[in-house]
Amino acid sequence: AQSVTQLGSHVSVSEGALVLLRCNYSSSVPPYLFWYVQYPNQGLQLLLKYTSAATLVKGINGFEAEFKKSETSFHLTKPSAHMSDAAEYFCAVSENRDSGNTPLVFGKGTRLSVIA
Amino acid sequence: GAGVSQSPSNKVTEKGKDVELRCDPISGHTALYWYRQSLGQGLEFLIYFQGNSAPDKSGLPSDRFSAERTGGSVSTLTIQRTQQEDSAVYLCASSPKVGLRGYNSPLHFGNGTRLTVT
Repeated sequence: AQSVTQLGSHVSVSEGALVLLRCNYSSSVPPYLFWYVQYPNQGLQLLLKYTSAATLVKGINGFEAEFKKSETSFHLTKPSAHMSDAAEYFCAVSENRDSGNTPLVFGKGTRLSVIA
Repeated sequence: GAGVSQSPSNKVTEKGKDVELRCDPISGHTALYWYRQSLGQGLEFLIYFQGNSAPDKSGLPSDRFSAERTGGSVSTLTIQRTQQEDSAVYLCASSPKVGLRGYNSPLHFGNGTRLTVT
């Protein structure tokens, strides 16, 4: 079964600094990979997704993620953090099986704090 | 347009009582999911509905949990004889089906129902 590990339950960066949120996955078949964001008191929304096209995926709000099969990673980055980026970020994986795709399995989340 | 709507937004119940949580998906979305979000535990998959196919119940934690989806639209998640460990935020999501494989369609989440079992 597929699984996701997010390293670091809490990451704190200064405004303007690089954001790097780590995600490693485990999957026996080609995966679909996603990052979702949950702003305070709001529902989850999709940031970006990888579905076997380009390995570097660009999402909303300046975020991007790179699929690295050799490292089984899908880390999320943003060159310059903004105060409005403070939120909880979830990495998720779905397996691409011949019988269909599996439901999304989420990581435990990483809370991003941005310091002025 | 309207997003995924969940009700109630908050529910406090006594241990042993039954509760029903409601989800109204986005109109036209054929796939509907229930997840449970506990503090520090991420999102736990519970159940998935896709059109008229049999639901994927593989994530339900016990037989106290059940869900139905009437008319391919509204879904109700029922928890019988609630326990304190059932306290969590229950999230519903819907998505359109794309081709033969719908799971990779982006999920649209509701704001959840926060369940507290005392």
